[in-house]
Amino acid sequence: EPEVTQTPSHQVTQMGQEVILRCVPISNHLYFYWYRQILGQKVEFLVSFYNNEISEKSEIFDDQFSVERPDGSNFTLKIRSTKLEDSAMYFCASSEYNGGQETQYFGPGTRLLVL
Amino acid sequence: AQKVTQAQTEISVVEKEDVTLDCVYETRDTTYYLFWYKQPPSGELVFLIRRNSFDEQNEISGRYSWNFQKSTSSFNFTITASQVVDSAVYFCATSGSARQLTFGSGTQLTVLP
Repeated sequence: EPEVTQTPSHQVTQMGQEVILRCVPISNHLYFYWYRQILGQKVEFLVSFYNNEISEKSEIFDDQFSVERPDGSNFTLKIRSTKLEDSAMYFCASSEYNGGQETQYFGPGTRLLVL
Repeated sequence: AQKVTQAQTEISVVEKEDVTLDCVYETRDTTYYLFWYKQPPSGELVFLIRRNSFDEQNEISGRYSWNFQKSTSSFNFTITASQVVDSAVYFCATSGSARQLTFGSGTQLTVLP
């Protein structure tokens, strides 16, 4: 069964460093998302992406964040200058939007720790 | 804006008991979608079920069933004959005209042997 994959599974970085989180969505999906989950809290939407551009973004998704689909398979989230509060699990999701019948399938997540 | 409330923070049951997880949602959309996701200790988010707002028929899928009631804005989820492997955090979520998911705070279910 097709699944969303994410790399790395864990990343530790120093405050101020740039990190890139990578995702490979399900191959026939056209809509891509990033969410994050701070430890013990709810899952929060960051950004959605379709047709090579951002569809929607939340207040969390400020200028420190960017997304890119550099090729036909990868979908990346970049944090330019990490802060302590960026420590969280980051989930990528993809969906095959079909006239409202949309289900987002999530990857296993990348656990980011900023020291 | 949408909002999802899961009032039950933690539930513990003994194996083989039935357990119902509550979810109350708020939305201004006339068409919206409701979901349940499971997050086991390994951390991934696993899709369980989706319900469309225009279809209030309740269904059973294996040991899972759900009760969608528009009148009370509730979308409760029941696991029948719970098993230890059902232990996880369960998230209710909704989407609508804004297609991103809005999640509740989750219910930690522990099934004891």
